[in-house]
Amino acid sequence: EAGVTQFPSHSVIEKGQTVTLRCDPISGHDNLYWYRRVMGKEIKFLLHFVKESKQDESGMPNNRFLAERTGGTYSTLKVQPAELEDSGVYFCASSQELNTEAFFGQGTRLTVV
Amino acid sequence: DQQVKQNSPSLSVQEGRISILNCDYTNSMFDYFLWYKKYPAEGPTFLISISSIKDKNEDGRFTVFLNKSAKHLSLHIVPSQPGDSAVYFCAGRFGNEKLTFGTGTRLTIIP
Repeated sequence: EAGVTQFPSHSVIEKGQTVTLRCDPISGHDNLYWYRRVMGKEIKFLLHFVKESKQDESGMPNNRFLAERTGGTYSTLKVQPAELEDSGVYFCASSQELNTEAFFGQGTRLTVV
Repeated sequence: DQQVKQNSPSLSVQEGRISILNCDYTNSMFDYFLWYKKYPAEGPTFLISISSIKDKNEDGRFTVFLNKSAKHLSLHIVPSQPGDSAVYFCAGRFGNEKLTFGTGTRLTIIP
């Protein structure tokens, strides 16, 4: 069974540009989460989808971040326009049931220069 | 406000000895705690968890202890092996809500 996959693994963009990160959860997992880790700090929650609906987006930093999960399968996280402080590793995770552990992807390392 | 704290950024332990990783939390609403392990360039992988109604959970070489009155949990690894070298994250959860992670502790096992 394939795990959570994220694309790209690395992205270097200039300040002001747009970047779109993609996450493919484990097949059949209704719950999809986005997290971010800024250098050396904690892994911080961004948002949670249940199927295609946003269950909790309280962690989204600002309106430059837009997450979608059309059809309840893969998800995208778009940052537009990117700022220097958006640099970090973006993790996606999925789980089948709400009270079970989440499986994480390998992350996308975003560097804004 | 950091609700989950891992005050030791790094820890070195001799192979074969016990590794003890500590975690403190401030949110008394957390009813479930998890430990994740992370290797470089990989995502965190689930290691072990404990419900707030228990004070100990054991899985092979890994044991998690929870002290609710002190709002403290610890992960014990016995015996420590070189493959255990990684960053360990503690996380708390309330009900069906999101995971709240600590900053991680880098464990290095010395052969």
